Amino acid sequence: KAGVTQTPRYLIKTRGQQVTLSCSPISGHRSVSWYQQTPGQGLQFLFEYFSETQRNKGNFPGRFSGRQFSNSRSEMNVSTLELGDSALYLCASSLTGSPMSEKLFFGSGTQLSVL
Amino acid sequence: AQSVTQLGSHVSVSEGALVLLRCNYSSSVPPYLFWYVQYPNQGLQLLLKYTTGATLVKGINGFEAEFKKSETSFHLTKPSAHMSDAAEYFCAVSFSGSARQLTFGSGTQLTVLP
Repeated sequence: KAGVTQTPRYLIKTRGQQVTLSCSPISGHRSVSWYQQTPGQGLQFLFEYFSETQRNKGNFPGRFSGRQFSNSRSEMNVSTLELGDSALYLCASSLTGSPMSEKLFFGSGTQLSVL
Repeated sequence: AQSVTQLGSHVSVSEGALVLLRCNYSSSVPPYLFWYVQYPNQGLQLLLKYTTGATLVKGINGFEAEFKKSETSFHLTKPSAHMSDAAEYFCAVSFSGSARQLTFGSGTQLTVLP
């Protein structure tokens, strides 16, 4: 069974641009969560989607947005990129979205560099 | 304020020695607790979790952790370190009741010396 797939693996953008990252969850998984990982701030929760609906959102500005498609694939978008957005963006999927009875499966991430 | 603290950003142990990675949390109610491991160029992998019930939790790869409410701690241990245990370890807490909305500690890089 294929794991969580994130594309692209690396991205280089310049300030002011926008970027879209993609996440394909494990087949059959319906919940997708996104995290940002930086050396300074560590791992921070961005948002979670379940059945195409955003269920939870972290404390990030509105420049960060996401969506989930009917096949459970998810995308996140960052508009008007800032240098501080340089980070590893991790996607995680889980089966049904039940609060505590299951675990997250993480992808290898997309490394975004903003110049 | 709710927070997670991992003591020691870097820990070195000899192969075969005890591994002890520390995690403390701050919360007015008992949260749900997790340990994740991250190997280089990979995503995170769940080692173990505590939600309810027995406070000593056993995970994969020989790791275990004990939830101590009085100390607000959830330290990770392994009796005998292997070279393959070298990785970064993250303690994570759910304050919201969701296993997908986690607050992570800053991580501890474990080095295993031959």
